[in-house]
Formats: sequence, C-alpha cells, structure tokens
Amino acid sequence: QVQLVESGGGLVKPGGSLRLSCAASGFTFSDYYMSWIRQAPGKGLEWISYISSSGSAIYYADSVKGRFTISRDNAKNSLYLQMNSLRGEDTAVYYCAREEPPGAGNWFDPWGQGTLVSVSS
Amino acid sequence: SYELTQPPSVSVSPGQTARITCSGDALSRKYAYWYQQKSGQAPVLVIYEDSKGPSGIRERFSGSNSGTMATLTISGAQVEDEADYYCYSTDSSGNHRVFGGGTKLTVL
Repeated sequence: QVQLVESGGGLVKPGGSLRLSCAASGFTFSDYYMSWIRQAPGKGLEWISYISSSGSAIYYADSVKGRFTISRDNAKNSLYLQMNSLRGEDTAVYYCAREEPPGAGNWFDPWGQGTLVSVSS
Repeated sequence: SYELTQPPSVSVSPGQTARITCSGDALSRKYAYWYQQKSGQAPVLVIYEDSKGPSGIRERFSGSNSGTMATLTISGAQVEDEADYYCYSTDSSGNHRVFGGGTKLTVL
C-alpha cells in the first residue's frame, strides 16, 4: 500500500540546520508532485513547499522562502527538506504528502505520520 | 497572501447535521478540499474537488461550493466524527496551497 515515512526531526538550536527525509513506497514516486506541510503545537496546518514530479517546478510559502530547500531523488523514491537558519516559530510536526492527481498536483493524499522538529536553545 | 476562513468551532448532538463553512475569494475559480484530523493523527482527506468523496469515506460526509463559500456537511454526525476539520484550496495562480484555520467539531 502507499506509504510515506518521514525522518530526520529532532531538537536544534536557533540558527541551526536540519534535513528531513520522506521515504515513499507503494506507488510510482516519479509520477507525483510532493509537498511538505507543517503543524505547530496546538495550531493549524501550514503548507510550506511543493516540488513537481520531475523537480523542475518548486514553490515555497513566504514564511520559509530563502531558508528552506525542497528536493527529491526519484531513483531513491525520496523527498527532502533542507532547513537552515531555523527559528523558534519553525517548531512543528512536519508532514510529507503526495499530491493528487498524478502529474498535476492539486490536493494531498495520503500524508505521512510526521516528524517533530523542535527549535530551542 | 490568500486566506481561507473557517469558524473556530462547531458543536452538534449525535445524529444531528453538522455544517462547517470555509470562505475565500478564489473559491469561485478553485476547488475546495476537506481534511479530518483526529487528535495525534495525520490529516485524512474526506472531500475532494468540492463534493467528491474518496473511497473508504463514510457517505455521511458531503461537500458543496457556492462560489466564495465551501461547506462540509456531516449528516447524522457521530461521536467518532469529533475532530479538527480543515478546508484547503489554492490561490488563483494555483501555485500556493492554503489551509483554512481549522474548525473543531464537537459531537455530544
């Protein structure tokens, strides 16, 4: 079945960096757009970035533009999020999600279980 | 930046119909989607393209879009439907994905 498994979260100091990974299985990864979405503790969902199936199109929310970089390796069925210059407000559970429909990207289904990133001194 | 607006909370008794609204200027040109998130779990899609139900989602979930307002309707709400519900859409360019602030549904 379709599965997305995030990893790489943890505790990091303000100004530090972290790289998240999302391992995909159960579908043809290279056919799908992928996104990262986060949720701060007790708060709502915030989309932060998407990448097209080939990696040629990338968009970021203003809140992370210039600090975060999304990438993918279709040969390894993996999605990544490089997070630099981390701030306290970046503390959140980070989800990766597949975008439907294939080749276009409009909505998210399914989502991974998330990985927690905590930014604190 | 584009925003979608939801009521913070909705409360109904078991068996009643719950309606959760989502307003946004681009909803007249873009589809609305709805996600259910239970405590400690990842969100799950319950409605896509305004009114379509994914396989495996109970038929008591339905959706509509009247232009600048989308509505999620849960007919005969059950205690198990207690969750946070988020509407989702894109801005007019289609490149920026946006979630509403979320609505906490209480069924008691």
